[in-house]
Amino acid sequence: EVQLVESGGGLVKPGGSLRLSCAASGFTFSSYTMNWVRQAPGKGLEWVSSMSSSRSYIYYADSVKGRFTISGDNAKNSLYLQMNSLRAEDTAVYYCTTQRGGDLGAFDIWGQGTMVTVSS
Amino acid sequence: QSVLTQPPSVSGALGQRVTISCTGSSSNIGAGYDVHWYHQLPGTAPKLLIYGDSNRPSGVPDRFSGSKSGTSASLAISGLQAEDEADYYCQSYDNNLSGNWVFGGGTKLIVL
Repeated sequence: EVQLVESGGGLVKPGGSLRLSCAASGFTFSSYTMNWVRQAPGKGLEWVSSMSSSRSYIYYADSVKGRFTISGDNAKNSLYLQMNSLRAEDTAVYYCTTQRGGDLGAFDIWGQGTMVTVSS
Repeated sequence: QSVLTQPPSVSGALGQRVTISCTGSSSNIGAGYDVHWYHQLPGTAPKLLIYGDSNRPSGVPDRFSGSKSGTSASLAISGLQAEDEADYYCQSYDNNLSGNWVFGGGTKLIVL
């Protein structure tokens, strides 16, 4: 079964750090672009970051650039998101997704999400 | 404010047909980039509904269809069922932005 499972969310104070993980199974993780997408409570979807299948090309939304770092470990079939200097506006459910239809393809597989709450 | 504009809500009676619009610009939909659609039930993760403007993944009923023209795209749902009540999001690529993926603000479908 194709599956993405996120973990690592929780409550953190403003200015703090958190590292999210996403475990992939059921498909060849190293072959596809991976992404993080977030959704603030009661709000819509916001793309956060992408990492190409080669793991060489990395992109970030302006809202997180310089604070978040995406990385991947093909040996562990895992994707990560290191989040530093967290702000209240980073509070959201964070989803891990993949694009098995190419770099401009749809985000066809989504994890269940992990909640990040930034509050004092 | 989202780069892609969707109506906040649409409604329709059981069995009827509704459409959800997604309006972009010359840097995204108008540039020819594919539009993808997702639906999201309360408390669950989004799920791919339509990819590449008008293609349905395996398992998605043919009641759902997508189209694109100019700088806009539409999702049509025919034969409305109660379980179609959900949030719907469009997505496309934008060549004006760093990173480039953009979503619509989402549309809440209410089935009467």
